[in-house]
Amino acid sequence: AQSVTQLDSQVPVFEEAPVELRCNYSSSVSVYLFWYVQYPNQGLQLLLKYLSGSTLVESINGFEAEFNKSQTSFHLRKPSVHISDTAEYFCAVSRKTNTGNQFYFGTGTSLTVIP
Amino acid sequence: DSGVTQTPKHLITATGQRVTLRCSPRSGDLSVYWYQQSLDQGLQFLIQYYNGEERAKGNILERFSAQQFPDLHSELNLSSLELGDSALYFCASSVGGGDTIYFGEGSWLTVV
Repeated sequence: AQSVTQLDSQVPVFEEAPVELRCNYSSSVSVYLFWYVQYPNQGLQLLLKYLSGSTLVESINGFEAEFNKSQTSFHLRKPSVHISDTAEYFCAVSRKTNTGNQFYFGTGTSLTVIP
Repeated sequence: DSGVTQTPKHLITATGQRVTLRCSPRSGDLSVYWYQQSLDQGLQFLIQYYNGEERAKGNILERFSAQQFPDLHSELNLSSLELGDSALYFCASSVGGGDTIYFGEGSWLTVV
């Protein structure tokens, strides 16, 4: 079975500082990789995804993640965070099976931006 | 707005009761997924349907069941409810096998 490990359950960071949320997955086959964000009292929203091509993917609000196949990682980074980035972030992996794509989620990282 | 609609948004019920949560997927999406999110267990995959048929099962209790109807909406039935079933239940949908899933806002279930 697939597993997704988010190494930090909570990450506090000061406003305008850089942040990295770490994600590692276990797989020996091709996978798709995702980051979802959950703001308080809301559902999960897709932040960015890697399907193929360039290993560096970006979101519209300044986040980026890099697919590293050799290290089986997909860490999420932002060079300068804002208060509004405070949320729960979930890393996810999708793997094709003969019954369709299976999605596996990490346990989440709570990002708190401190003014 | 993801396009996935869930009702009700909030529900309070007593132990032993039965509830039904409803999900309408995004237009054109054939796959529906159900997840349970609780403080102690995080986001747990329950079950997936594709075009009316069950495709995958996760950590779904025997007291829980789901189905997907011909119009592609789905219902999650939770019976003999226990306090520990209190959680946020998410529905998500994707196109076909789906390289990306999109989540609804969730249904908050409180069992008292």
